[in-house]
Amino acid sequence: QKEVEQDPGPLSVPEGAIVSLNCTYSNSAFQYFMWYRQYSRKGPELLMYTYSSGNKEDGRFTAQVDKSSKYISLFIRDSQPSDSATYLCAMSNTDKLIFGTGTRLQVFP
Amino acid sequence: EAGVAQSPRYKIIEKRQSVAFWCNPISGHATLYWYQQILGQGPKLLIQFQNNGVVDDSQLPKDRFSAERLKGVDSTLKIQPAKLEDSAVYLCASSLWRTETQYFGPGTRLLVL
Repeated sequence: QKEVEQDPGPLSVPEGAIVSLNCTYSNSAFQYFMWYRQYSRKGPELLMYTYSSGNKEDGRFTAQVDKSSKYISLFIRDSQPSDSATYLCAMSNTDKLIFGTGTRLQVFP
Repeated sequence: EAGVAQSPRYKIIEKRQSVAFWCNPISGHATLYWYQQILGQGPKLLIQFQNNGVVDDSQLPKDRFSAERLKGVDSTLKIQPAKLEDSAVYLCASSLWRTETQYFGPGTRLLVL
C-alpha cells in the first residue's frame, strides 16, 4: 500500500462546476498537508497549506483535513478553464514531502 | 523575486551515456531539493541539501546518481551511466529553511533512448 493514494483521473467538468479532489494516506504521523497545482511542462506550485486537522479557505479554494479518517480534500468553486492542471496532494511530518500521483483536471468552457 | 532556475529544459541521450542538470535556487534559500517525477506519478525526493551539506539521500541510486551543492548555492545532479528507466522530469526546489514552503523550478525533461 502506498503512503499516499490519489485518483489519477482525468476529471472533466464544465466551467462553473464545483470540483472535489481527494487523497487518502496511511501514515498517522503526517501533520502538514499541502495541495500543489502543476500545469503542463511546469513545476508544481503551492496552492494550499494546512497544519493538522480542519478547514482552510482561500478565494475559490477550500482545503479540508480529516486526520481521524486519514483523508484530505481540495474543493474548487466556480471552476474556470484556467484551473485545468494536475493537482498533487503532499504531506509530511518533518520536511520530507510525500506526494500523491496527482489528479488531472480538465475544465471545459 | 526570481524563481528557481533549471537547465537544460530538455535532454535526449542514449542509454549508458552521462548527463548533468543544473539548478540555481531562489536567493537566500538554504535548503535545496532534487526530485524525480516519472510520467503519471508524483515527485519523489532524490536528495536534500541544507546549505552545502546532505540531509537526506536515502532514495538516491548512488551507483549511478550523484549530486553536489557547491558553496551552498547552485547544485548539479549527474547520472552516469543512464538507464531507460531514468526517463523522467527532474525537478529542483528550494526553501528558506527545512520546514518552509518549497518552491519548484520548471524541471528538466530527460528522455533516455
